[in-house]
Amino acid sequence: ETGVTQTPRHLVMGMTNKKSLKCEQHLGHNAMYWYKQSAKKPLELMFVYNFKEQTENNSVPSRFSPECPNSSHLFLHLHTLQPEDSALYLCASSQEGFTEAFFGQGTRLTVV
Amino acid sequence: GENVEQHPSTLSVQEGDSAVIKCTYSDSASNYFPWYKQELGKGPQLIIDIRSNVGEKKDQRIAVTLNKTAKHFSLHITETQPEDSAVYFCAASINTNAGKSTFGDGTTLTVKP
Repeated sequence: ETGVTQTPRHLVMGMTNKKSLKCEQHLGHNAMYWYKQSAKKPLELMFVYNFKEQTENNSVPSRFSPECPNSSHLFLHLHTLQPEDSALYLCASSQEGFTEAFFGQGTRLTVV
Repeated sequence: GENVEQHPSTLSVQEGDSAVIKCTYSDSASNYFPWYKQELGKGPQLIIDIRSNVGEKKDQRIAVTLNKTAKHFSLHITETQPEDSAVYFCAASINTNAGKSTFGDGTTLTVKP
């Protein structure tokens, strides 16, 4: 248990569905991140939030919409996804000024 | 932007042997180099890290070396055990935002008993 909890652990959705991934951290960190992990590709940073403000969006398609209502919670809203969006989506958190990032266990997303 | 290359992509060793994974990075401004271990069904977990002002760091059976001039860094695992089997990722980042790392492709390490 790393203190970063992601739900659901598995999600299957159709291309016309709308769903949300949730991440919660109990570590008191002030930075949170979404990563995408696909087979045979490195971890790709998608979004960065510092103190609830989005500070980075790495050219992520608009069908992925992040939301950070407070420094403990992070959501990733999904709509009209494509099959190539199937991947493991990882949330992480860290404290500004400190070195370690803590990852959740991920949500395995399958788009059919 | 930063580019991190990691080799080998797969590594199989006999229990008790050593394992070495190597990474190179491109951005000379990078100054923080973590290594993560990802077991099946879990997220990556930090196992060791090194900053650019240090050439080597050791933690029990794990060590990391950094050659800033050549932009190389390596993970060394000695006396490997079956529970070391996992995917290992190197990463590089600048300064304090540890989550904003650029990751290597990963190395799948298998330790055969």
